Amino acid sequence: NAGVTQTPKFQVLKTGQSMTLQCAQDMNHEYMSWYRQDPGMGLRLIHYSVGAGITDQGEVPNGYNVSRSTTEDFPLRLLSAAPSQTSVYFCASSSDSGGSYNEQFFGPGTRLTVL
Amino acid sequence: AQTVTQSQPEMSVQEAETVTLSCTYDTSESDYYLFWYKQPPSRQMILVIRQEAYKQQNATENRFSVNFQKAAKSFSLKISDSQLGDAAMYFCASSGGGADGLTFGKGTHLIIQP
Repeated sequence: NAGVTQTPKFQVLKTGQSMTLQCAQDMNHEYMSWYRQDPGMGLRLIHYSVGAGITDQGEVPNGYNVSRSTTEDFPLRLLSAAPSQTSVYFCASSSDSGGSYNEQFFGPGTRLTVL
Repeated sequence: AQTVTQSQPEMSVQEAETVTLSCTYDTSESDYYLFWYKQPPSRQMILVIRQEAYKQQNATENRFSVNFQKAAKSFSLKISDSQLGDAAMYFCASSGGGADGLTFGKGTHLIIQP
């Protein structure tokens, strides 16, 4: 099993550009989520999904959209990138459909820089 | 809402010695879960240990153990026989078990001196 994969690993955008961060898992996990990690801070939840077709907002959702059309994939879209979105982004999945009782399996992260 | 506080931005320990990383939390949940995650320079987040709040017994995983003080809302991580590979950022996290994910502390940078 590949676990949780994320693409790309690195990305540089200009202010106002849009892009999609890809996340996929092959563990048949119902619960998937996106976090961002800023320097000197822990991870903060952006959006999450408890199953295909169901998504909701986390702590810092502004400027990001998500959708969940399949169990495997959970892409994160930046509609109009801003320098404040410069961060490292982590996707995670869990076998617990309710959320976060169990271990979260994290992807390797995407380092995004917005100029 | 939950908050997690790690008061030690950086800790240093000699190889083979024992080190304790501190974490305090606050939650309104009656049932919750606590975690320690390790993040080495590779950036990968790795679960170190997990504690269910309803369990009085402290969790242990090989050289890693926790001191869970529920009344004091304290959840410290003890690493015994420190190894060079333990050098990393360590994050304490809590969860109410709901779909709103984990709440993380700001992390402690652990340095292992050879």
